[in-house]
Amino acid sequence: QQQVKQSPQSLIVQKGGISIINCAYENTAFDYFPWYQQFPGKGPALLIAIRPDVSEKKEGRFTISFNKSAKQFSLHIMDSQPGDSATYFCAASRGNKAAGNKLTFGGGTRVLVKP
Amino acid sequence: DAGITQSPRHKVTETGTPVTLRCHQTENHRYMYWYRQDPGHGLRLIHYSYGVKDTDKGEVSDGYSVSRSKTEDFLLTLESATSSQTSVYFCAISERGGELFFGEGSRLTVL
Repeated sequence: QQQVKQSPQSLIVQKGGISIINCAYENTAFDYFPWYQQFPGKGPALLIAIRPDVSEKKEGRFTISFNKSAKQFSLHIMDSQPGDSATYFCAASRGNKAAGNKLTFGGGTRVLVKP
Repeated sequence: DAGITQSPRHKVTETGTPVTLRCHQTENHRYMYWYRQDPGHGLRLIHYSYGVKDTDKGEVSDGYSVSRSKTEDFLLTLESATSSQTSVYFCAISERGGELFFGEGSRLTVL
């Protein structure tokens, strides 16, 4: 079963527009929710992350919104740029970091920003 | 960029042959992970390691084994490759169980 569900699978946005990607999780023990960005031929790289004690986190043009009661979180990319064209993955993990940060990933969203 | 090197970067093999992928790090991070990436499935954890000779299974470990005899090296072995193991394999490292840093991937095709 897929513990983290991500939508949409792909989206196209005009330059300057807003990209929104949504994720839903099932395991209430998850306590760390990162977003990773991946360019073709490269490995994923951490973009931004949030913990459930806050409802929103912003870093530059990227914002995570978190709704603990609904078990959902989303990534907003404001003023989208062609350089933001990439695949984005949400992920989640739970405590016990002594065993490492075992991330469970969503299926990914391919974002294309048209100039 | 985190010092992670995966080898080989590309490999084509035949069903039933053994395959070993290598992940080498220069960061001295404690934790190392192997993920596979398939369309629609995101990345799925195969095995991970929390120290030399300390490894455990992830969610898709069947058909894979790992070894970590040195801090810097984490090997992923497919004892008898199958077509369902055609995928892109990513190694990742982390320190104190925090942010994961990924390598550039190894593309494996099993014919």
